[in-house]
Amino acid sequence: QQQVKQSPQSLIVQKGGISIINCAYENTAFDYFPWYQQFPGKGPALLIAIRPDVSEKKEGRFTISFNKSAKQFSLHIMDSQPGDSATYFCAAYITGTASKLTFGTGTRLQVTL
Amino acid sequence: KAGVTQTPRYLIKTRGQQVTLSCSPISGHRSVSWYQQTPGQGLQFLFEYFSETQRNKGNFPGRFSGRQFSNSRSEMNVSTLELGDSALYLCASSFQGHTGELFFGEGSRLTVL
Repeated sequence: QQQVKQSPQSLIVQKGGISIINCAYENTAFDYFPWYQQFPGKGPALLIAIRPDVSEKKEGRFTISFNKSAKQFSLHIMDSQPGDSATYFCAAYITGTASKLTFGTGTRLQVTL
Repeated sequence: KAGVTQTPRYLIKTRGQQVTLSCSPISGHRSVSWYQQTPGQGLQFLFEYFSETQRNKGNFPGRFSGRQFSNSRSEMNVSTLELGDSALYLCASSFQGHTGELFFGEGSRLTVL
């Protein structure tokens, strides 16, 4: 059972555009929602994270929007750059459950010139 | 500070063999978790160790096992390899393992022939 659903599977955005990746979760016990960025040949790296008590978190060009009632959250990448081309994973976590993250299926982002 | 180090980076085995993968966490991190990454199933949690004790386990068969040493280094073992075990095995460390903020290594890519 896929507890975190992520879309789209792939995304092509022009340089300077906005990239939007969406995720939905089922388990209301999740209380921490990180996004990880993975480049080819590398492990995932934490990009930004949010807790459900806030509706938005912004760090530089990256913003998470969170809708608790809809059980959805999304990553927005403003002014997308070719260096942002990577695979992005949303994840969900229950505090105290010993590093057991539940990941979405990933979105491969390509930013073109 | 050095990152998470995984060895070997690449290995090829045949069905029925066993394999041992090694992980050295970031200095000071006491929690080590393991994830399997495949194109079809994405990132899936295998298990997590803290202070040499397994604290959580994912839904994998008993052929998958692990351990942690007193210096926090960890190993995972897969016995009686099957073709479907071909994957990127990622190790992640965190200070205590209850935050969902993980630091991943670059992974060990296992190919089973």
